[in-house]
Amino acid sequence: EDQVTQSPEALRLQEGESSSLNCSYTVSGLRGLFWYRQDPGKGPEFLFTLYSAGEEKEKERLKATLTKKESFLHITAPKPEDSATYLCAVQMNSGYSTLTFGKGTMLLVSP
Amino acid sequence: KAGVTQTPRYLIKTRGQQVTLSCSPISGHRSVSWYQQTPGQGLQFLFEYFSETQRNKGNFPGRFSGRQFSNSRSEMNVSTLELGDSALYLCASSLALGTDNYGYTFGSGTRLTVV
Repeated sequence: EDQVTQSPEALRLQEGESSSLNCSYTVSGLRGLFWYRQDPGKGPEFLFTLYSAGEEKEKERLKATLTKKESFLHITAPKPEDSATYLCAVQMNSGYSTLTFGKGTMLLVSP
Repeated sequence: KAGVTQTPRYLIKTRGQQVTLSCSPISGHRSVSWYQQTPGQGLQFLFEYFSETQRNKGNFPGRFSGRQFSNSRSEMNVSTLELGDSALYLCASSLALGTDNYGYTFGSGTRLTVV
């Protein structure tokens, strides 16, 4: 069965304290891996799509990387406004496949 | 550019009732997907519609159904509500079936509480 596991479940950082979130996946044929950010009471907001091992994408303080079995979301010098739940999702390479989500990492950045 | 609009934002229903949720996708987007989000299970895929046809279906009972209209707007219906149906129901749209390079664009969801 295809699975997406995110760790840690929750992470508390001080402002400026860099860290990484992990998303490991077991799917038979990956078409793409997606990262989303979700604020309380809102829907997920798209951040990145990664397609092949070795690929990296950056946006402000966030950088996403992909290997054959996992992806990392690196947060450099976070600010309180980076506090949110970060969701990882995979899309299989079979027909018109939908997204399978992990349960997310809840990030809290304290000033 | 207007985003994905879901109505209503909040609903309280009684066990055994039925409910209809509505979703208007981004203009030009033809695919609409529905997800259920709960604290314990996270986001779980319900179904996906494209050109008024259901193209994919998740592992949910037949009480959950949906449809898509010719203008790409979609509705989902839950009949005979159970307490466990309490969740945030999210609608997402994309240009084509599945996702494009930008993933899905999600609405803010409908918070359903079953009492």
